[in-house]
Amino acid sequence: DVKVTQSSRYLVKRTGEKVFLECVQDMDHENMFWYRQDPGLGLRLIYFSYDVKMKEKGDIPEGYSVSREKKERFSLILESASTNQTSMYLCASSYRGRAGTEAFFGQGTRLTVV
Amino acid sequence: AQKITQTQPGMFVQEKEAVTLDCTYDTSDPSYGLFWYKQPSSGEMIFLIYQGSYDQQNATEGRYSLNFQKARKSANLVISASQLGDSAMYFCAMREDNQGAQKLVFGQGTRLTINP
Repeated sequence: DVKVTQSSRYLVKRTGEKVFLECVQDMDHENMFWYRQDPGLGLRLIYFSYDVKMKEKGDIPEGYSVSREKKERFSLILESASTNQTSMYLCASSYRGRAGTEAFFGQGTRLTVV
Repeated sequence: AQKITQTQPGMFVQEKEAVTLDCTYDTSDPSYGLFWYKQPSSGEMIFLIYQGSYDQQNATEGRYSLNFQKARKSANLVISASQLGDSAMYFCAMREDNQGAQKLVFGQGTRLTINP
């Protein structure tokens, strides 16, 4: 079975902390994505990556950065957490260059910044 | 830039009725893919159906079908004979297929409630 694993299901952090959200996939997927999900706003793309060390900004990259040192791992970094970054964060992965191949999602990390 | 719009925040349907969830998209890329996902209250994202921009036929998967109208840039999901277990959030998504980055963007979602 395809597996996308996010390191934490729930996380509580303080304002100003540096926060790392980790995502690992075991299907040798080239594409990896980070989204945040908020009620009424759907899934908004933060960053994505199509290869090791490659990254592209999504629609809401401000306040976030990413790292992809290995193909299977894609990390989302909140440089200085703020309360408006309280949200559900979803990681996903998919094959690159194959039309019709769906993205597989992790179970999500609910982050609360206090 | 890509954009996906789902105009129905919530839908209420009687069990066994068919339901159509709307999705419109905007892209300048001639090659793209459209996806529908279901998110039950448990939070997992479940892939339902895919339609490629060059596909001549509308995609079908069991009780799900995709009403693809390319000229109108719409990709509505049709669920036939709805069941109580269909109650969930539904998201439409689009991926542009190019040689480099493949951005995958989602709409705002529609919350579907099936009434007994």
